[in-house]
Amino acid sequence: EAQVTQNPRYLITVTGKKLTVTCSQNMNHEYMSWYRQDPGLGLRQIYYSMNVEVTDKGDVPEGYKVSRKEKRNFPLILESPSPNQTSLYFCASSLSPGGGLNEKLFFGSGTQLSVL
Amino acid sequence: AQTVTQSQPEMSVQEAETVTLSCTYDTSESDYYLFWYKQPPSRQMILVIRQEAYKQQNATENRFSVNFQKAAKSFSLKISDSQLGDAAMYFCAYRSGSSGSRLTFGEGTQLTVNP
Repeated sequence: EAQVTQNPRYLITVTGKKLTVTCSQNMNHEYMSWYRQDPGLGLRQIYYSMNVEVTDKGDVPEGYKVSRKEKRNFPLILESPSPNQTSLYFCASSLSPGGGLNEKLFFGSGTQLSVL
Repeated sequence: AQTVTQSQPEMSVQEAETVTLSCTYDTSESDYYLFWYKQPPSRQMILVIRQEAYKQQNATENRFSVNFQKAAKSFSLKISDSQLGDAAMYFCAYRSGSSGSRLTFGEGTQLTVNP
């Protein structure tokens, strides 16, 4: 089944404790991205990747890191989480970065992160 | 930069009735796409309907249709014959036709369907 898999679904941590949220897709997609969802703000893009070893900042990259060593994986890293990073996180992927006419964005099931 | 605005944080509708969710956007581009996503309590992001800016005809998907007013930069979603399963958060989203797969989302509208 074609899917984007995020783990974990829920995570509670404490300020300053490094964490990684994993994202994997099995569709050979070139484009992958991370969004965070906050009440009243909708979803905002954190980072995106056009292909292996190619990553770039989105709208709200501060406090986050990503890597794209393999095509299928795009982990989100919080080196020193803070309470303002408490949010619902989504990974998404699409076949190509070009955003063609029939390009569809596939979303993971989300990771609810709480930073105490 | 593009912006998307949903001015209705919450809406409610009676089962079997019709409801319209509003969305406006701001862009200087002529080539773009607009989307409505549904997010039920499961948190899954479900694509409801999409509209290409170059198409004058409004998109329709079963009970869901849009009213796309390009000059006014308005993109409302109409849900006909509302069902209990339509209750969800709805997001309007914009995607440039020239700068890849990035989506710009509105703030969301929480839709309640009353039996």
